[in-house]
Amino acid sequence: LAKTTQPISMDSYEGQEVNITCSHNNIATNDYITWYQQFPSQGPRFIIQGYKTKVTNEVASLFIPADRKSSTLSLPRVSLSDTAVYYCLVGGSGGYNKLIFGAGTRLAVHP
Amino acid sequence: DTEVTQTPKHLVMGMTNKKSLKCEQHMGHRAMYWYKQKAKKPPELMFVYSYEKLSINESVPSRFSPECPNSSLLNLHLHALQPEDSALYLCASSQDLGSGASGNTIYFGEGSWLTVV
Repeated sequence: LAKTTQPISMDSYEGQEVNITCSHNNIATNDYITWYQQFPSQGPRFIIQGYKTKVTNEVASLFIPADRKSSTLSLPRVSLSDTAVYYCLVGGSGGYNKLIFGAGTRLAVHP
Repeated sequence: DTEVTQTPKHLVMGMTNKKSLKCEQHMGHRAMYWYKQKAKKPPELMFVYSYEKLSINESVPSRFSPECPNSSLLNLHLHALQPEDSALYLCASSQDLGSGASGNTIYFGEGSWLTVV
């Protein structure tokens, strides 16, 4: 299974763009990269998923370089409500959707 | 809003009690999951069901017993738990049990907070 490495924590201010980078050096050829957001006492919420290049939705953008050994979640103009833990996951091997969570990144957005 | 519903939201049980956590989804998903999450830690995979059959058991102690009565329901039966089993238990579902390569997104419920006293 591909292991992911993210910064433990990040700080930002309201209105700024936040970029969280995840390292996944042993990602398999067929693996997708998925990001989740989790608030305290709630279940993880799907943010965005991609395979290569760039993916954008109404919430975030995901940048994946050609070698796919890392990915960057970009949150435009964050607000206080974006304070949460963000998890980067890659698909499991063996045909099973066995998503394993890494430690995640605790993002704190300040006024 | 999540379409995976978990009940109860909070449960307090003694070490000799038998209780159950319930999960329901109506998205037509054929794969369902149980995760356990301790405070300030990432979720840990416990069980995976595919088409109502247990596919993955991550070496979970037998005091946790999963059950999948049909494709929409997933239960976790609890018996003789220990205080260290206190945690947030998350249910999730996905279209099927394909690899992450198929873009098979897993959707989570809000969780059930379990306290063992």
